[in-house]
Amino acid sequence: TQLLEQSPQFLSIQEGENLTVYCNSSSVFSSLQWYRQEPGEGPVLLVTVVTGGEVKKLKRLTFQFGDARKDSSLHITAAQPGDTGLYLCAGDFNDYKLSFGAGTTVTVRA
Amino acid sequence: EAGVTQSPTHLIKTRGQQATLRCSPISGHTSVYWYQQALGLGLQFLLWYDEGEERNRGNFPPRFSGRQFPNYSSELNVNALELEDSALYLCASSLRRTSGTYEQYFGPGTRLTVT
Repeated sequence: TQLLEQSPQFLSIQEGENLTVYCNSSSVFSSLQWYRQEPGEGPVLLVTVVTGGEVKKLKRLTFQFGDARKDSSLHITAAQPGDTGLYLCAGDFNDYKLSFGAGTTVTVRA
Repeated sequence: EAGVTQSPTHLIKTRGQQATLRCSPISGHTSVYWYQQALGLGLQFLLWYDEGEERNRGNFPPRFSGRQFPNYSSELNVNALELEDSALYLCASSLRRTSGTYEQYFGPGTRLTVT
């Protein structure tokens, strides 16, 4: 059973545009991680958020953790073709495993 | 520092056979996790090993099993392979969790194809 919902499932934008990916749950996360995965490879950890209301920036990527620790968003400013990939959120519900969302496939067209 | 490594990269088996997948964690990490990523189904948690013991198990049948060795490397065994076992099998490692958050780092995966 998926405890995390990601939206949208697919996102196709032009280079230079902005995009936002959402991750929601009905349960409280003890922490949440965002990964990016390219075809045939393992997910690469982008960021971990722990504190409600936390905002982290990684170059053109901004990650927010909701105040209630039930939702998170990933915003990419001025997207580039190199940002293309599958973005996954993974929640730690304090049960010693990560529960993954289904992922958002992002395509940035040159 | 070397990341998580997995072998083999690709594995082709026929239905009913057994498959063995291997994983070496990042140096200093004692926990190893296994996930299955089947097409269209996302990452599903399989197993967690820490300090040589199985600590948690996902909703998979007993023919999925594994072990962790004293050097913290791990093996995933899949017996009586079925066509639907075809997937990318990912291994991740982390520091031992005592409290607070932990971060998992993934290997490149083993692509298992069952024919």
